[in-house]
Formats: sequence, C-alpha cells, structure tokens
Amino acid sequence: GAVVSQHPSWVICKSGTSVKIECRSLDFQATTMFWYRQFPKQSLMLMATSNEGSKATYEQGVEKDKFLINHASLTLSTLTVTSAHPEDSSFYICSASALRETQYFGPGTRLLVL
Amino acid sequence: QKEVEQDPGPLSVPEGAIVSLNCTYSNSAFQYFMWYRQYSRKGPELLMYTYSSGNKEDGRFTAQVDKSSKYISLFIRDSQPSDSATYLCATLAVFTGGGNKLTFGTGTQLKVEL
Repeated sequence: GAVVSQHPSWVICKSGTSVKIECRSLDFQATTMFWYRQFPKQSLMLMATSNEGSKATYEQGVEKDKFLINHASLTLSTLTVTSAHPEDSSFYICSASALRETQYFGPGTRLLVL
Repeated sequence: QKEVEQDPGPLSVPEGAIVSLNCTYSNSAFQYFMWYRQYSRKGPELLMYTYSSGNKEDGRFTAQVDKSSKYISLFIRDSQPSDSATYLCATLAVFTGGGNKLTFGTGTQLKVEL
C-alpha cells in the first residue's frame, strides 16, 4: 500500500519552456501533498505544501509564480515549472500524506533544462 | 546550526556487519522520527518511524530515539549489498492546525561490500 507515482520520470526541455510534473497517490487519498527538490549529493529541500482544494504554501525563497502547484483532487497534484532555465535542472520529488505524521514519496522526476 | 545533523559519510562496511547510522536534532518540538532509504536516482522509501524514546524493531532494522539527548539512530543487522543506499533521518513536529513539515538530515551514504 501507500504507492505514489510521478510522471514523467525524466524530462529534457529547452530554456524558456514550461514543464508540468504530475504526482498521484495510487491507493490512498492524500489530504496533503508536498513538493521537494534535490540537488546531487544533497538532501531534500521542501518547496511547497499543498492541501486539496486550497492554495499551496511555499517555503521561503521559492517563487510561487515560477513553480505553480495545483492540487486538484485527493489523489493528484501537479507542479509546473514555468519558463524553465538551466538552473532549474534538478530532481523533483513529491510526497503524499493521509495521516499527519507519515509521508510517502514518489520516485522523482529528473528535469534537465538545456 | 542545522535543525537535523547527519554525517554524510560515505560509510563502507563488509557484508554481514552491523551498521549504525546516527542523527542529532536541536528542536525539542520534534515529536516523530523517521528513517528513509533512498537508492540512487529514486525517491525516498519510508523504513521506520517512531514517536517516543526507546527502540523499535522491524526485521533487520532497529530505530532508536533518545529524546533527552536529541539523538536518533538506525541499526542494520546482517547488512547486505542491497542495503547500499543513502539513509535519511527526518523529524516532524505536528502543530495545532495540522501542519506536518518534515525536516531532513543530509543523508548518510552507505556501501555494503561483498
């Protein structure tokens, strides 16, 4: 149980384009979903927290207009990286939570912006 | 000072060894303590979580929490090459209103050699 999927698993795009990443909880309803990014050999950095049907809460230093988060249902959240630039290249990971204390992570999406 | 400190390693042990992974934390408000395992280019996988001080065992894994010294440990018995991964400790403070933000350590890279 507690499976979280992400799509796509990797994406290469040109600078200036937008990229959408989907996060789905497959076998449970997630009241809260989280988006993280991870640079090589570094830990996960929380970008934002989203609850179904409400606006996402962004961490300090994360541009809300650049990283658009939509939590449309209890099983789906999307992260759109708008006008992507090479410095946005990273590993993006979502997690989903039904209980307050447990987060289950997706497999991650590797983004490379050329 | 980081809220959660973890030695990044790398830690290399022979197959069959007992592995000890450790973290310290500074915020006494943390109530839950997790260990995640992350294979290269994959999302973190929840291994164990504990709430109170003491030990929790699951197969070859034992999680230990000492709230008085703000010290958390993960022990792996009879380590296997398949245990080679990065191990992330994480802490959680549950706030009134339902917040549940995880704070991660930097991760310890473990290699179990044949």
